Amino acid sequence: EPEVTQTPSHQVTQMGQEVILRCVPISNHLYFYWYRQILGQKVEFLVSFYNNEISEKSEIFDDQFSVERPDGSNFTLKIRSTKLEDSAMYFCASSPGQGNQPQHFGDGTRLSIL
Amino acid sequence: SQQGEEDPQALSIQEGENATMNCSYKTSINNLQWYRQNSGRGLVHLILIRSNEREKHSGRLRVTLDTSKKSSSLLITASRAADTASYFCATDDGNNRLAFGKGNQVVVIP
Repeated sequence: EPEVTQTPSHQVTQMGQEVILRCVPISNHLYFYWYRQILGQKVEFLVSFYNNEISEKSEIFDDQFSVERPDGSNFTLKIRSTKLEDSAMYFCASSPGQGNQPQHFGDGTRLSIL
Repeated sequence: SQQGEEDPQALSIQEGENATMNCSYKTSINNLQWYRQNSGRGLVHLILIRSNEREKHSGRLRVTLDTSKKSSSLLITASRAADTASYFCATDDGNNRLAFGKGNQVVVIP
């Protein structure tokens, strides 16, 4: 069964450094998402992406964050200057369309900011 | 935005028993989804119920939705040790941005 893959599984970065989290969504899916889960807290929506542009973003997704689909398969989340509070699990998801479609999640990248 | 809230937070049952979890939310929704998460893994989609549906089944899973009470329940029948996981409800208001609850931890004792 096709699945969403994320790399790396764990990223350790110094505060202030840039980090790029990578995702390969399911190949025939058109919508892509990033969520994060701070330890002990709820999974929170960050951003959705369709047709090479952001379709929705949350208040968390400020100017420090950006997303890109650099080629036909990858979907990336960049955090420009990481803060301690960016430490979390970051999940990528994709769905075939919008409206009553399940989202398929990757296993996540654990980001630890030192 | 919607906030799913599951109840109870932790559940420990014997293999073969049924497990029921509830979820409440605050605003109108397009659909409600249930996900499972095994330790250290991603979220696995279990079932989606649309706002105009009241009940849905998938294998040993049964989901109900009461939009007048803004609540949903997930029933796992004849539980197995492999059902041990965290279970999350998530609401979709039509914009594809899922709002998750805190999750229920379910432990099935063999």
